Amino acid sequence: SQELEQSPQSLIVQEGKNLTINCTSSKTLYGLYWYKQKYGEGLIFLMMLQKGGEEKSHEKITAKLDEKKQQSSLHITASQPSHAGIYLCGARRSNNNDMRFGAGTRLTVKP
Amino acid sequence: GAVVSQHPSRVICKSGTSVKIECRSLDFQATTMFWYRQFPKQSLMLMATSNEGSKATYEQGVEKDKFLINHASLTLSTLTVTSAHPEDSSFYICSARAFREGEAFFGQGTRLTVV
Repeated sequence: SQELEQSPQSLIVQEGKNLTINCTSSKTLYGLYWYKQKYGEGLIFLMMLQKGGEEKSHEKITAKLDEKKQQSSLHITASQPSHAGIYLCGARRSNNNDMRFGAGTRLTVKP
Repeated sequence: GAVVSQHPSRVICKSGTSVKIECRSLDFQATTMFWYRQFPKQSLMLMATSNEGSKATYEQGVEKDKFLINHASLTLSTLTVTSAHPEDSSFYICSARAFREGEAFFGQGTRLTVV
């Protein structure tokens, strides 16, 4: 079973639209990571969040971690076909812990 | 970011044979390496954690005699799938971490097909 709840499972948006993916844990997290993957390929690191309330942005992607460090959102502004792929949130519960992953969100961006 | 190289990227083997997958950290020393398995359209499931010079810690439900993990040096960990069967066909990914507080870097994965 997944320790991280990720939603939605899949998402289809029109090019240019904004979208949000959520990742929730029942336990306080040490670190929350967002990755992008094309199925059958490796993971591309997007962002890491460690502090409660932290927010980071890279190009058109913004990730936030709530104050309790149990929930994170990934927001894509003005989506493009190049954003399509599987987005995975990963989390560690302590600095000595391995990383566990959410179920992933499959994003399709229609041109 | 740091580079983790995984080899081979694809392998096809006959049922009953063993296959070895290598995971190398190219520009840093990895004290800990992780092995994951991914089924089609599913997320990554942690199989085992290995620390250099010690035995790997396997997740519940993962057969340690079937999935042999060796982390003999600070730059190399290997996963050997012994007596492979078609149900072992999957995508296997490793990740490596330099120190406890560090980020884990992922290899490009290995697609194993057992025929």
